[in-house]
Amino acid sequence: GDSVTQMEGPVTLSEEAFLTINCTYTATGYPSLFWYVQYPGEGLQLLLKATKADDKGSNKGFEATYRKETTSFHLEKGSVQVSDSAVYFCALLNTGFQKLVFGTGTRLLVSP
Amino acid sequence: GAVVSQHPSWVICKSGTSVKIECRSLDFQATTMFWYRQFPKQSLMLMATSNEGSKATYEQGVEKDKFLINHASLTLSTLTVTSAHPEDSSFYICSASDGGNQPQHFGDGTRLSIL
Repeated sequence: GDSVTQMEGPVTLSEEAFLTINCTYTATGYPSLFWYVQYPGEGLQLLLKATKADDKGSNKGFEATYRKETTSFHLEKGSVQVSDSAVYFCALLNTGFQKLVFGTGTRLLVSP
Repeated sequence: GAVVSQHPSWVICKSGTSVKIECRSLDFQATTMFWYRQFPKQSLMLMATSNEGSKATYEQGVEKDKFLINHASLTLSTLTVTSAHPEDSSFYICSASDGGNQPQHFGDGTRLSIL
């Protein structure tokens, strides 16, 4: 079945450091890919998405490119802020299915 | 746009009572709503998928008589935890989609504590 694998956290960075959170997937067909962010005590917010190969999703300084050849969708940000501290979930939605398949989440901690 | 409101945000109640959680899509029609459960520091576990006007489809291992789901309109779904016990304490999150490969939009979650 479809699956998403994320790097284990926590990822601990200093403010203004470069961020990469790795995400790889296994799926049949051509899924859409998403990054969601969860702040403490809250639900998930859609951060960015990509629906086909080579698409780049971007939002709030975060970027991720849909790489079909490496089945990856790594999340990057050039300069993190303390306010970016949260849990980040990579997810896929396969064509014809309703259910999101989530990775296990990666906690990001940014210190001043 | 695409706002999902979940209510209440926090519930504390005695063992044996039933608790109803509401999930509303405020600015779009949600043909499909999803209910998740999240344990501390873990990913989301899908409990059930509900399509408006149809019975919910429950994931394996989720008791349908324990977790009653109603999706009577395109903007409202409810989850009722019946005869709740301490082991039902958790963070419950709903999401909604207007279909196809559109992203799911999530509510802010409900923290349920059963004493």
